[in-house]
Amino acid sequence: DADVTQTPRNRITKTGKRIMLECSQTKGHDRMYWYRQDPGLGLRLIYYSFDVKDINKGEISDGYSVSRQAQAKFSLSLESAIPNQTALYFCATSTLSYNEQFFGPGTRLTVL
Amino acid sequence: AQSVTQLGSHVSVSEGALVLLRCNYSSSVPPYLFWYVQYPNQGLQLLLKYTTGATLVKGINGFEAEFKKSETSFHLTKPSAHMSDAAEYFCAVSDQPKVDYKLSFGAGTTVTVRA
Repeated sequence: DADVTQTPRNRITKTGKRIMLECSQTKGHDRMYWYRQDPGLGLRLIYYSFDVKDINKGEISDGYSVSRQAQAKFSLSLESAIPNQTALYFCATSTLSYNEQFFGPGTRLTVL
Repeated sequence: AQSVTQLGSHVSVSEGALVLLRCNYSSSVPPYLFWYVQYPNQGLQLLLKYTTGATLVKGINGFEAEFKKSETSFHLTKPSAHMSDAAEYFCAVSDQPKVDYKLSFGAGTTVTVRA
């Protein structure tokens, strides 16, 4: 079984729709992250959470919100999707030491 | 604030040839450094990491990297490429590992392996 799972794996939606991407982990890590990947730009951090009550903005948080429902669950929402949010989205978790991060398989989102 | 530069967005090598992927970073403090690999339609997987100690780091699948502080580099090498090494590779840096648990990623280098 995968340690970090993301649902859905693929999603096509229309401009203006609200979208939620979900991430669950069985690694027992406190720290969770959401990234987006765009060709030629690498991964950019959207939001991160160090525990259920600690949510922090990353470098590109505008247009996104998150919810940490439990230690194991971290959801990313697009309140009103726009085409330039078309990207590959990754959830990750990390250990306390060395910042090593473990990634989910990704969600490919297309906004028409 | 840290940043990461990967030189070359695409690298093509012959099977059995040396793989060399370049990564330079900027950081105000000794950083922690990472290489990740992304195979098609998969998430990122850690290849190797440098935190402290020995500057030559060995990772999975025959890859290694050397931290050179004077050159602010962390280049990734593999002596002999295999077809299964075709993937995208990302260098990442954290310069406040016990304070700020964020990673900054390079833009990635796509490796193709010719038979």
